Amino acid sequence: GAVVSQHPSWVICKSGTSVKIECRSLDFQATTMFWYRQFPKQSLMLMATSNEGSKATYEQGVEKDKFLINHASLTLSTLTVTSAHPEDSSFYICSARDPKVAGGETQYFGPGTRLLVL
Amino acid sequence: AQTVTQSQPEMSVQEAETVTLSCTYDTSESDYYLFWYKQPPSRQMILVIRQEAYKQQNATENRFSVNFQKAAKSFSLKISDSQLGDAAMYFCAYSASGTYKYIFGTGTRLKVLA
Repeated sequence: GAVVSQHPSWVICKSGTSVKIECRSLDFQATTMFWYRQFPKQSLMLMATSNEGSKATYEQGVEKDKFLINHASLTLSTLTVTSAHPEDSSFYICSARDPKVAGGETQYFGPGTRLLVL
Repeated sequence: AQTVTQSQPEMSVQEAETVTLSCTYDTSESDYYLFWYKQPPSRQMILVIRQEAYKQQNATENRFSVNFQKAAKSFSLKISDSQLGDAAMYFCAYSASGTYKYIFGTGTRLKVLA
């Protein structure tokens, strides 16, 4: 159980275009999803917390207008990188929390999306 | 502010041997959770083990066990009978109860030697 998928697994786009990444909880309803960014050989950096039906909460230093997050249903959250630039190239990972699991603190991670902006 | 420190950037272990990865954290909270995640070359984060701070008993999952020292704010991971498939980055994470947000350490790269 507790499977999280991400789509696409990797994407190449031109500078100035927008890219949407989907995160789905496949076998549970996730009231809360998280979006992380990971640079090569570094740890995960939390970008924002996404709650179903409400606005996302962004971490300090993360541009809300650059990284649009929508959590339209209990199984789907999307991250849109708007007007992408080469510096946005990174590995983006989502995770989801299953509130029904005892100690609902545990996050289950998607496989990640590698974004390359040319 | 809470912090998580992994002081070992890289560790090596011989196959079938035992290795311990260290993690320390700083918090003023009394109720929290600690986790070890494994990130293999595929970069999929895999939960290895979790520990609730209010439980004194150390968590164990097959070959993986932790040494949780609450007073010392230490949470080390012991891998017994190491296997080639254990080679990965290992991240320690902290979550204050009710926040649901993780704070990750910088990771330890584990190499398993045949």
